[in-house]
Amino acid sequence: DAGVIQSPRHEVTEMGQEVTLRCKPISGHDYLFWYRQTMMRGLELLIYFNNNVPIDDSGMPEDRFSAKMPNASFSTLKIQPSEPRDSAVYFCASSLARRLASDTQYFGPGTRLTVL
Amino acid sequence: QKEVEQDPGPLSVPEGAIVSLNCTYSNSAFQYFMWYRQYSRKGPELLMYTYSSGNKEDGRFTAQVDKSSKYISLFIRDSQPSDSATYLCAMRITGGGNKLTFGTGTQLKVEL
Repeated sequence: DAGVIQSPRHEVTEMGQEVTLRCKPISGHDYLFWYRQTMMRGLELLIYFNNNVPIDDSGMPEDRFSAKMPNASFSTLKIQPSEPRDSAVYFCASSLARRLASDTQYFGPGTRLTVL
Repeated sequence: QKEVEQDPGPLSVPEGAIVSLNCTYSNSAFQYFMWYRQYSRKGPELLMYTYSSGNKEDGRFTAQVDKSSKYISLFIRDSQPSDSATYLCAMRITGGGNKLTFGTGTQLKVEL
């Protein structure tokens, strides 16, 4: 299995531009998570989906952020308009819920976003 | 106050040392406890998990959970330069829909 795939790996944009991050979860996984990681705040959960349905978006910082999961193999995180404080590494993770303590979240390599 | 607190380090130790990494938490509903390891410019990967209180050992790694003190630890014996990474604790409640709450991570460097 190729693991969780994220694109692009790096994104540099100017303030005010729209940014779209993409994620392909591991095939067969039914949970998908979007995280943001910064030095100051660590790894923060933004939103997660179960069977393509958003379950908890309480971590989405503001209306400029939106996420979709149109099917089981694809999700996007969009920031419009982007601001310099959005600069961070954005991770996508997926997991398979088997009601076990070891339901592991598998992380992608991340997208490093820089907003100038 | 954050739900999960973790000393960010950095922590620098000589090769072969015993390393102790710790997290405290405030939510008594947390039942599942994990340690993730994150190498530079990579995504986190699960290292160990434990359920409720107690110890779990896997090779050179031992995870401990003390629910009465709301305190978890990860011990690394005979540390190696390849252990140099950021270690993040994570935890979740029962029925929490696989939602994890992470600590900020401790950066560890094991020097030759």
